[in-house]
Amino acid sequence: GEDVEQSLFLSVREGDSSVINCTYTDSSSTYLYWYKQEPGAGLQLLTYIFSNMDMKQDQRLTVLLNKKDKHLSLRIADTQTGDSAIYFCAEGETGANNLFFGTGTRLTVIP
Amino acid sequence: DAGITQSPRHKVTETGTPVTLRCHQTENHRYMYWYRQDPGHGLRLIHYSYGVKDTDKGEVSDGYSVSRSKTEDFLLTLESATSSQTSVYFCASCGVGSTDTQYFGPGTRLTVL
Repeated sequence: GEDVEQSLFLSVREGDSSVINCTYTDSSSTYLYWYKQEPGAGLQLLTYIFSNMDMKQDQRLTVLLNKKDKHLSLRIADTQTGDSAIYFCAEGETGANNLFFGTGTRLTVIP
Repeated sequence: DAGITQSPRHKVTETGTPVTLRCHQTENHRYMYWYRQDPGHGLRLIHYSYGVKDTDKGEVSDGYSVSRSKTEDFLLTLESATSSQTSVYFCASCGVGSTDTQYFGPGTRLTVL
């Protein structure tokens, strides 16, 4: 299957910005997604970006896509303790097609 | 959020026993999926369905079977559970629009002793 890679851990101080990175190998991916998983819960879709876009902003979230390097990032501005969770990037041709997930990055926000 | 429920939420069973996990969605979504989540692997697709009675294998389908007799229900069966199938199982569903995305259930934690 396609490879989607993320670093496993990230710690930031409350109020700072967090940047979670993801690399993928499938150049035919049309959609790239960020999901959030809180402890004991399922995955919650945060945002997604089309492959023909470079950037998407949604309130405190900014997604950057570098297609040439197959690199995706999620920036969370003014990180709060409620942002502590595991963040997964995923890629696929459409939402209904099979999604390939990264291993997840555990974000810890230090008060 | 899409209305997706999974049952049971937790199960402990013994090696060699059959296990069935149920996923129920109230969104009339056409597509449904079963994933397993393991440390260091993220989520991996087991099986998926693109309509009633239409299913196909995913990345890690060995040892699992599925059935979909109604739009709203997608069952995952472990015919003879093994310890390697200890995992957290997530169901998801998705509509048919090109911009539709997958919505996930709360997960089932399965332990095979």
